[in-house]
Amino acid sequence: DQQVKQNSPSLSVQEGRISILNCDYTNSMFDYFLWYKKYPAEGPTFLISISSIKDKNEDGRFTVFLNKSAKHLSLHIVPSQPGDSAVYFCAVVIQGAQKLVFGQGTRLTINP
Amino acid sequence: NAGVMQNPRHLVRRRGQEARLRCSPMKGHSHVYWYRQLPEEGLKFMVYLQKENIIDESGMPKERFSAEFPKEGPSILRIQQVVRGDSAAYFCASSPPEGIDEKLFFGSGTQLSVL
Repeated sequence: DQQVKQNSPSLSVQEGRISILNCDYTNSMFDYFLWYKKYPAEGPTFLISISSIKDKNEDGRFTVFLNKSAKHLSLHIVPSQPGDSAVYFCAVVIQGAQKLVFGQGTRLTINP
Repeated sequence: NAGVMQNPRHLVRRRGQEARLRCSPMKGHSHVYWYRQLPEEGLKFMVYLQKENIIDESGMPKERFSAEFPKEGPSILRIQQVVRGDSAAYFCASSPPEGIDEKLFFGSGTQLSVL
């Protein structure tokens, strides 16, 4: 039972362009959504989050959009930089259960 | 303020041996979570512990796996009689006493290789 899905295993983007990573979820009761970034041989690091009461949150080059009616989350990175090359995981907080559930991840490659 | 510390970074075991993975949470954090990442897969929740209590072990395999978080010392994830399918990256995360509060902080992980 996959509650959080990232349907694109990989994405390749030209440096300077916009990167858009997508995530779909199944449960409309989730109330917090996050994006984590992971480099090889390192642990995931928190990138940006959004509460279900909002539809957009911005932090520098990173913007997360939430479409509750479509149960869809996206991360926009603009402009994309080579250092953004990593695996990106979306996650939801299951508050009552006090844990995060992750998607499968999308490997983003930024080409110079 | 040190982050989540995991050791060892790499652990090699032969089939049938025991693996012990250690995790020290961030200072002031009393909740520990263990996640596993199998090759080419996402992060899967295994267990959530508070000091001396297992709160949620719904993601733990029924056999061979156990976890503890004693009053003193690090949290330990123990895998008995390892098999090749246990080869994975094991990540520990921690959160403060009030709970997840929006995010978890992860360690660098232990890469377990079973020969």
